[in-house]
Amino acid sequence: SAVISQKPSRDICQRGTSLTIQCQVDSQVTMMFWYRQQPGQSLTLIATANQGSEATYESGFVIDKFPISRPNLTFSTLTVSNMSPEDSSIYLCSASAGDTGELFFGEGSRLTVL
Amino acid sequence: GENVEQHPSTLSVQEGDSAVIKCTYSDSASNYFPWYKQELGKRPQLIIDIRSNVGEKKDQRIAVTLNKTAKHFSLHITETQPEDSAVYFCAASRGDDKIIFGKGTRLHILP
Repeated sequence: SAVISQKPSRDICQRGTSLTIQCQVDSQVTMMFWYRQQPGQSLTLIATANQGSEATYESGFVIDKFPISRPNLTFSTLTVSNMSPEDSSIYLCSASAGDTGELFFGEGSRLTVL
Repeated sequence: GENVEQHPSTLSVQEGDSAVIKCTYSDSASNYFPWYKQELGKRPQLIIDIRSNVGEKKDQRIAVTLNKTAKHFSLHITETQPEDSAVYFCAASRGDDKIIFGKGTRLHILP
């Protein structure tokens, strides 16, 4: 299994600012992902965080808005840039060890943009 | 890309009865189908999964069935209990790849 720590757990941000969410996994994992979950909604995949290279973004998400880093196997960051109220959501870091395919989630970062 | 449809969006069952949630997927290359449970304010957690080389898997009161030909899979919860109340998500993946989730089913267990 993998234990995933995310910070901040929540934040209130002003429109136009940017916020970086950090994700730390306690063991080496093969895959790391970032999901967004709006209140009462499903888990929407933003991107796959690739170690040492550019993230792979899903349709509707772009690097300028959601830059992602993954400098090593156990750490990743997601930045939400130039925030607007529509970006208010829970952002979840997740990781898979690859051999079982099981996806583990962090506790999420709840962002409120005013 | 993969698209996962999930039904129903809301399900209410009497305590002790069974609950069934159904999902379909679009990508015939998908071979891993997990189910996640998310309680209010908590992170999603895996409750059971199935791979395409089996048709059914059971773990105590929870079972999952898979029909690869029809591209659909289902979650069955028997003898439901109050602690089963949560949102359940089905998902599909090619295995060593990203996981795409359905829209979720909010399950209410009625006393």
